[in-house]
Amino acid sequence: NAGVTQTPKFQVLKTGQSMTLQCAQDMNHNSMYWYRQDPGMGLRLIYYSASEGTTDKGEVPNGYNVSRLNKREFSLRLESAAPSQTSVYFCASSEEWGRGSPLHFGNGTRLTVT
Amino acid sequence: AQTVTQSQPEMSVQEAETVTLSCTYDTSESDYYLFWYKQPPSRQMILVIRQEAYKQQNATENRFSVNFQKAAKSFSLKISDSQLGDAAMYFCAYRSAWEDGQNFVFGPGTRLSVLP
Repeated sequence: NAGVTQTPKFQVLKTGQSMTLQCAQDMNHNSMYWYRQDPGMGLRLIYYSASEGTTDKGEVPNGYNVSRLNKREFSLRLESAAPSQTSVYFCASSEEWGRGSPLHFGNGTRLTVT
Repeated sequence: AQTVTQSQPEMSVQEAETVTLSCTYDTSESDYYLFWYKQPPSRQMILVIRQEAYKQQNATENRFSVNFQKAAKSFSLKISDSQLGDAAMYFCAYRSAWEDGQNFVFGPGTRLSVLP
């Protein structure tokens, strides 16, 4: 059982380049999330998708876009990377909305923007 | 909006000893869930324990237990018989039972070192 799979694991971009982080879950979860992790700040929500066909902004959405391609897949796109987007990115999913289901995380992507 | 505070950026414990990590949160809700996640150097986020706010009984998972004080809005994690593999970042997280959208809030984390 793979759980939540994220690709790539590492990426180096130059300022202004674009890229898409891919995420897929095989647990039939309704909700999916993208977080970024920065030292001393915990995890901050970028975007989320409560169910297939819906997406909403989180705490730090500027500079990002998302696509919920189907129930399994939720991608995060950086259109024009900036050094401030250097971070570790996590995709996560959860089973039910509002019932205290825990988040299940992918292994993260370490992104460096030079 | 809810906030989660972990006042100990770093802690250390001797192998086989017991350590308690602190977490406090601020909310006006009465129904919610609390979690502790562990992040070892591998970067993977691992669920350690989950607590439902409407349950009085403190959750336990093997060597991990919590002290949930709802009135004080405190949710500490106790690790007994610490092992070298417990060395990691630990994040406390709050999940609203009702609020739409941004309903997971994480604390800044506590880095735990285990000394042999």
